[in-house]
Amino acid sequence: DVKVTQSSRYLVKRTGEKVFLECVQDMDHENMFWYRQDPGLGLRLIYFSYDVKMKEKGDIPEGYSVSREKKERFSLILESASTNQTSMYLCASSLWGGRDEQFFGPGTRLTVL
Amino acid sequence: EDQVTQSPEALRLQEGESSSLNCSYTVSGLRGLFWYRQDPGKGPEFLFTLYSAGEEKEKERLKATLTKKESFLHITAPKPEDSATYLCAVQVLTLPTQGGSEKLVFGKGTKLTVNP
Repeated sequence: DVKVTQSSRYLVKRTGEKVFLECVQDMDHENMFWYRQDPGLGLRLIYFSYDVKMKEKGDIPEGYSVSREKKERFSLILESASTNQTSMYLCASSLWGGRDEQFFGPGTRLTVL
Repeated sequence: EDQVTQSPEALRLQEGESSSLNCSYTVSGLRGLFWYRQDPGKGPEFLFTLYSAGEEKEKERLKATLTKKESFLHITAPKPEDSATYLCAVQVLTLPTQGGSEKLVFGKGTKLTVNP
């Protein structure tokens, strides 16, 4: 089975801190994605990557950056955390950008105080 | 703009009471439609992919269908363990500025509660 793991289930940070969210997949998937999920807004795509060292902006990239130095690992970075970035963050991976489903990690509940 | 609308937002059923969830979409070019199940505090779990109008897929008490404008997730004789939020997503082409690849656009989900 595909396994997508995220470094933390719960995280509490202070405004202005730099925050790293880590995601690792173990199935040699080419594509990786970061979403945030908020009540009433659903899942929204932040950034995605179709290859090592490649990244593309999703629909809400402002305030975030990403890093993909190795195929299996995709990191989401909040350069200076703000309270409006309090959310559930979900990482996903898929084999191709085409017809393959995305497999999701368990999520990281981030609270910024 | 690509949009996915799910209805109803919430649905309460009695055990054994069959019903359907709706996912309607307006997209520039549908490449696939995905259904996911999400339990509280967990990531979405893949259920089905549909690619063309008229296609149907089944899994236990769930059956997904697709037309040119919408998809339905039919739940037959549900059980309390079917309680979850069901998410619909369409796969579309990204903008050229986003690499011209593909992404999923999600609806807001339908929260299903099945009472014993």
